[in-house]
Amino acid sequence: ETGVTQSPTHLIKTRGQQVTLRCSSQSGHNTVSWYQQALGQGPQFIFQYYREEENGRGNFPPRFSGLQFPNYSSELNVNALELDDSALYLCASSSFRDRALHFGNGTRLTVT
Amino acid sequence: SQKIEQNSEALNIQEGKTATLTCNYTNYSPAYLQWYRQDPGRGPVFLLLIRENEKEKRKERLKVTFDTTLKQSLFHITASQPADSATYLCALAVGAQTGANNLFFGTGTRLTVIP
Repeated sequence: ETGVTQSPTHLIKTRGQQVTLRCSSQSGHNTVSWYQQALGQGPQFIFQYYREEENGRGNFPPRFSGLQFPNYSSELNVNALELDDSALYLCASSSFRDRALHFGNGTRLTVT
Repeated sequence: SQKIEQNSEALNIQEGKTATLTCNYTNYSPAYLQWYRQDPGRGPVFLLLIRENEKEKRKERLKVTFDTTLKQSLFHITASQPADSATYLCALAVGAQTGANNLFFGTGTRLTVIP
Protein backbone atom coordinates (compact mmCIF):
# COMPACT_ATOMS: atom_id res chain seq x y z
CA GLU A 1 0.00 0.00 0.00
CA THR A 2 1.50 3.31 -1.10
CA GLY A 3 1.12 6.20 1.31
CA VAL A 4 0.49 9.86 0.57
CA THR A 5 3.34 11.51 -1.30
CA GLN A 6 3.87 15.22 -1.80
CA SER A 7 6.15 17.15 -4.12
CA PRO A 8 8.32 19.08 -3.93
CA THR A 9 9.58 18.69 -0.36
CA HIS A 10 10.97 22.21 -0.23
CA LEU A 11 10.33 25.31 -2.30
CA ILE A 12 11.49 28.93 -2.21
CA LYS A 13 9.42 31.59 -3.98
CA THR A 14 9.36 35.35 -4.17
CA ARG A 15 6.45 37.49 -3.00
CA GLY A 16 3.90 37.94 -5.77
CA GLN A 17 4.75 34.68 -7.55
CA GLN A 18 2.47 31.68 -7.98
CA VAL A 19 3.11 28.15 -6.74
CA THR A 20 1.66 24.68 -7.41
CA LEU A 21 2.04 21.87 -4.90
CA ARG A 22 1.23 18.26 -5.73
CA CYS A 23 -0.13 15.32 -3.82
CA SER A 24 -0.72 11.65 -4.61
CA SER A 25 -3.40 10.02 -2.48
CA GLN A 26 -3.10 6.71 -0.72
CA SER A 27 -4.58 3.95 -2.86
CA GLY A 28 -8.29 3.37 -2.21
CA HIS A 29 -8.87 6.93 -0.94
CA ASN A 30 -11.19 9.26 -2.84
CA THR A 31 -10.98 12.36 -0.65
CA VAL A 32 -8.07 14.75 -0.31
CA SER A 33 -7.63 17.61 2.15
CA TRP A 34 -5.04 20.38 2.26
CA TYR A 35 -3.69 22.05 5.38
CA GLN A 36 -1.33 24.91 6.14
CA GLN A 37 0.86 24.56 9.22
CA ALA A 38 2.84 27.53 10.48
CA LEU A 39 5.76 26.90 12.81
CA GLY A 40 4.58 25.91 16.29
CA GLN A 41 0.91 25.85 15.27
CA GLY A 42 -1.60 23.16 14.46
CA PRO A 43 -2.60 22.47 10.85
CA GLN A 44 -5.15 24.95 9.47
CA PHE A 45 -7.80 23.51 7.14
CA ILE A 46 -7.65 25.02 3.63
CA PHE A 47 -10.12 22.86 1.70
CA GLN A 48 -11.19 19.32 0.88
CA TYR A 49 -11.95 17.65 -2.46
CA TYR A 50 -14.19 14.65 -2.99
CA ARG A 51 -14.71 13.19 -6.46
CA GLU A 52 -13.10 16.25 -8.05
CA GLU A 53 -15.43 18.74 -6.33
CA GLU A 54 -14.61 21.08 -3.43
CA ASN A 55 -16.32 19.63 -0.36
CA GLY A 56 -15.58 22.17 2.36
CA ARG A 57 -13.32 25.18 2.76
CA GLY A 58 -11.62 26.87 5.67
CA ASN A 59 -10.95 30.57 6.17
CA PHE A 60 -8.54 31.06 3.27
CA PRO A 61 -8.81 33.66 0.47
CA PRO A 62 -9.69 32.72 -3.13
CA ARG A 63 -6.04 32.95 -4.20
CA PHE A 64 -5.78 29.50 -2.61
CA SER A 65 -7.32 27.09 -5.09
CA GLY A 66 -7.19 23.40 -5.79
CA LEU A 67 -7.88 20.57 -8.14
CA GLN A 68 -8.53 16.88 -7.76
CA PHE A 69 -7.95 14.58 -10.72
CA PRO A 70 -9.79 11.39 -11.73
CA ASN A 71 -7.01 9.29 -10.16
CA TYR A 72 -7.66 11.25 -6.90
CA SER A 73 -4.31 13.02 -6.95
CA SER A 74 -4.51 16.71 -6.20
CA GLU A 75 -2.90 20.11 -6.63
CA LEU A 76 -2.87 23.16 -4.40
CA ASN A 77 -2.31 26.47 -6.20
CA VAL A 78 -1.49 29.71 -4.44
CA ASN A 79 -1.44 32.97 -6.41
CA ALA A 80 0.11 36.32 -5.48
CA LEU A 81 2.26 34.81 -2.74
CA GLU A 82 2.66 36.76 0.48
CA LEU A 83 5.36 36.46 3.12
CA ASP A 84 2.79 34.99 5.56
CA ASP A 85 2.21 32.10 3.16
CA SER A 86 5.52 30.65 4.32
CA ALA A 87 4.55 27.39 6.04
CA LEU A 88 4.43 23.63 5.80
CA TYR A 89 1.65 22.56 3.43
CA LEU A 90 0.19 19.18 4.25
CA CYS A 91 -1.95 16.96 2.07
CA ALA A 92 -4.07 14.18 3.55
CA SER A 93 -6.21 11.53 1.93
CA SER A 94 -9.12 9.61 3.39
CA SER A 95 -12.10 7.51 2.44
CA PHE A 96 -15.72 7.96 3.43
CA ARG A 97 -15.66 4.73 5.39
CA ASP A 98 -12.39 5.44 7.20
CA ARG A 99 -12.53 8.97 8.58
CA ALA A 100 -8.88 9.02 9.61
CA LEU A 101 -6.70 11.40 7.61
CA HIS A 102 -3.50 9.93 6.18
CA PHE A 103 -0.98 12.71 5.81
CA GLY A 104 2.05 13.15 3.61
CA ASN A 105 5.16 14.75 5.06
CA GLY A 106 4.39 18.08 3.49
CA THR A 107 5.97 20.74 1.31
CA ARG A 108 7.95 23.42 3.11
CA LEU A 109 7.25 26.70 1.29
CA THR A 110 9.38 29.76 1.97
CA VAL A 111 8.31 33.10 0.51
CA THR A 112 10.98 35.81 0.44
CA SER B 1 -15.86 32.49 17.41
CA GLN B 2 -14.88 28.85 17.12
CA LYS B 3 -11.89 27.71 19.14
CA ILE B 4 -10.02 24.49 19.82
CA GLU B 5 -7.63 24.80 22.72
CA GLN B 6 -5.09 22.31 23.95
CA ASN B 7 -4.32 23.66 27.34
CA SER B 8 -0.61 22.92 27.52
CA GLU B 9 1.90 23.92 24.90
CA ALA B 10 4.39 21.56 26.50
CA LEU B 11 4.15 18.75 29.02
CA ASN B 12 7.10 16.97 30.64
CA ILE B 13 6.52 13.66 32.35
CA GLN B 14 8.62 10.93 33.93
CA GLU B 15 8.90 7.61 32.13
CA GLY B 16 6.32 5.09 33.37
CA LYS B 17 3.80 7.71 34.45
CA THR B 18 0.47 8.49 32.77
CA ALA B 19 0.40 11.53 30.51
CA THR B 20 -2.94 13.35 30.28
CA LEU B 21 -3.55 15.90 27.51
CA THR B 22 -6.62 18.12 27.30
CA CYS B 23 -8.58 19.43 24.34
CA ASN B 24 -11.35 22.00 24.88
CA TYR B 25 -13.54 23.50 22.19
CA THR B 26 -16.16 26.22 21.86
CA ASN B 27 -18.85 26.88 19.25
CA TYR B 28 -18.45 23.53 17.56
CA SER B 29 -20.85 20.58 17.43
CA PRO B 30 -18.51 17.88 16.21
CA ALA B 31 -19.82 14.50 15.12
CA TYR B 32 -16.51 13.02 16.22
CA LEU B 33 -13.07 13.94 17.46
CA GLN B 34 -9.68 12.55 16.52
CA TRP B 35 -6.21 12.55 18.04
CA TYR B 36 -3.00 12.62 16.01
CA ARG B 37 0.70 12.38 16.76
CA GLN B 38 3.21 14.55 14.91
CA ASP B 39 6.98 14.14 14.98
CA PRO B 40 9.31 16.97 13.85
CA GLY B 41 9.48 17.32 10.08
CA ARG B 42 6.71 14.76 9.52
CA GLY B 43 3.00 14.83 8.83
CA PRO B 44 0.53 13.97 11.60
CA VAL B 45 -0.27 10.30 12.17
CA PHE B 46 -3.77 9.18 13.15
CA LEU B 47 -4.15 7.58 16.60
CA LEU B 48 -7.79 7.38 17.68
CA LEU B 49 -11.30 8.49 16.71
CA ILE B 50 -14.17 8.87 19.17
CA ARG B 51 -17.76 9.63 18.18
CA GLU B 52 -20.13 12.05 19.93
CA ASN B 53 -22.17 9.17 21.36
CA GLU B 54 -19.11 7.41 22.80
CA LYS B 55 -17.69 8.24 26.20
CA GLU B 56 -14.39 6.41 26.02
CA LYS B 57 -12.15 4.64 23.51
CA ARG B 58 -9.01 2.59 24.13
CA LYS B 59 -6.16 1.34 21.99
CA GLU B 60 -3.26 -0.40 23.67
CA ARG B 61 -1.75 2.19 26.08
CA LEU B 62 -3.94 5.01 24.74
CA LYS B 63 -7.30 6.12 26.10
CA VAL B 64 -9.54 8.94 24.90
CA THR B 65 -12.63 10.36 26.58
CA PHE B 66 -15.17 12.71 25.02
CA ASP B 67 -17.59 14.85 27.02
CA THR B 68 -19.89 16.83 24.70
CA THR B 69 -21.49 18.62 27.67
CA LEU B 70 -18.15 19.95 28.92
CA LYS B 71 -16.93 20.26 25.31
CA GLN B 72 -13.76 18.48 26.25
CA SER B 73 -11.66 15.47 25.32
CA LEU B 74 -8.92 13.93 27.43
CA PHE B 75 -6.12 11.86 25.92
CA HIS B 76 -4.18 9.53 28.19
CA ILE B 77 -0.96 7.61 27.56
CA THR B 78 -0.32 5.06 30.29
CA ALA B 79 3.13 3.67 31.13
CA SER B 80 4.70 6.44 29.05
CA GLN B 81 7.98 5.81 27.24
CA PRO B 82 10.59 8.19 25.79
CA ALA B 83 9.42 7.05 22.33
CA ASP B 84 6.04 8.67 23.11
CA SER B 85 7.73 12.09 22.98
CA ALA B 86 6.03 14.05 20.19
CA THR B 87 3.40 16.72 19.57
CA TYR B 88 -0.17 15.52 20.01
CA LEU B 89 -3.00 17.20 18.13
CA CYS B 90 -6.74 16.97 18.64
CA ALA B 91 -9.05 17.54 15.69
CA LEU B 92 -12.81 18.09 15.43
CA ALA B 93 -14.87 16.93 12.48
CA VAL B 94 -17.29 19.40 10.93
CA GLY B 95 -19.79 18.64 8.23
CA ALA B 96 -19.95 14.92 8.80
CA GLN B 97 -23.70 14.93 8.31
CA THR B 98 -23.19 16.02 4.70
CA GLY B 99 -20.52 13.43 4.11
CA ALA B 100 -17.68 15.89 4.45
CA ASN B 101 -14.75 15.12 6.70
CA ASN B 102 -13.43 18.59 7.41
CA LEU B 103 -11.12 18.37 10.39
CA PHE B 104 -10.15 21.43 12.42
CA PHE B 105 -7.04 21.02 14.56
CA GLY B 106 -5.94 22.42 17.88
CA THR B 107 -2.53 23.98 18.38
CA GLY B 108 -1.03 20.79 19.81
CA THR B 109 0.72 19.77 23.01
CA ARG B 110 4.41 18.86 22.90
CA LEU B 111 4.96 15.89 25.19
CA THR B 112 8.43 15.00 26.47
CA VAL B 113 8.86 11.74 28.38
CA ILE B 114 11.97 11.89 30.55
CA PRO B 115 13.86 8.62 31.08
